[in-house]
Amino acid sequence: GAVVSQHPSRVICKSGTSVKIECRSLDFQATTMFWYRQFPKQSLMLMATSNEGSKATYEQGVEKDKFLINHASLTLSTLTVTSAHPEDSSFYICSAQKTTEAYGYTFGSGTRLTVV
Amino acid sequence: GQSLEQPSEVTAVEGAIVQINCTYQTSGFYGLSWYQQHDGGAPTFLSYNALDGLEETGRFSSFLSRSDSYGYLLLQELQMKDSASYFCAVRDNYGQNFVFGPGTRLSVLP
Repeated sequence: GAVVSQHPSRVICKSGTSVKIECRSLDFQATTMFWYRQFPKQSLMLMATSNEGSKATYEQGVEKDKFLINHASLTLSTLTVTSAHPEDSSFYICSAQKTTEAYGYTFGSGTRLTVV
Repeated sequence: GQSLEQPSEVTAVEGAIVQINCTYQTSGFYGLSWYQQHDGGAPTFLSYNALDGLEETGRFSSFLSRSDSYGYLLLQELQMKDSASYFCAVRDNYGQNFVFGPGTRLSVLP
């Protein structure tokens, strides 16, 4: 089955610093990956669509200069939260679709970001 | 615009059957998926319906009626480990991503 690895699982950082989160598809190539954010007891909100070899597509209201996305290869997408603030503390989850499976997406294990 | 509605909470006892409903309003429709998420974990894929009818996978079944913009997830022979949040998600025709519903928190009691 499709496996997506996300790292780190938890990170605590100081306000004003930057944090990079990696999302890897381990056994398949993913031309497109998605980044979601989830606040406690809320649903998953799509932040951006990451396309290999091109710029990411951001959802309305998501600051592209704050949440930098790089999809440098067919198996790796990274999300960098720049100049993090306490309100950025959240659960960040990536997902990728295996091209042979048109219906479901495999999610990474998520990254719990706490900004202090 | 897109909107999905689900009940916020459902409670049932072990061994029972529970149905979680999802209604949606989307600009297009390509399919309805269901995901399970335990506290602190990532969502895991449960089922997908692109056509009307019932799809059965073990204890879980999912139903879709496109004319009613409605679907449900049916969980049978409930177990304690089924306590989790369940999200319906719609894929519209204009994007590759799924839009998630607000989620239903299922509590299974002994």
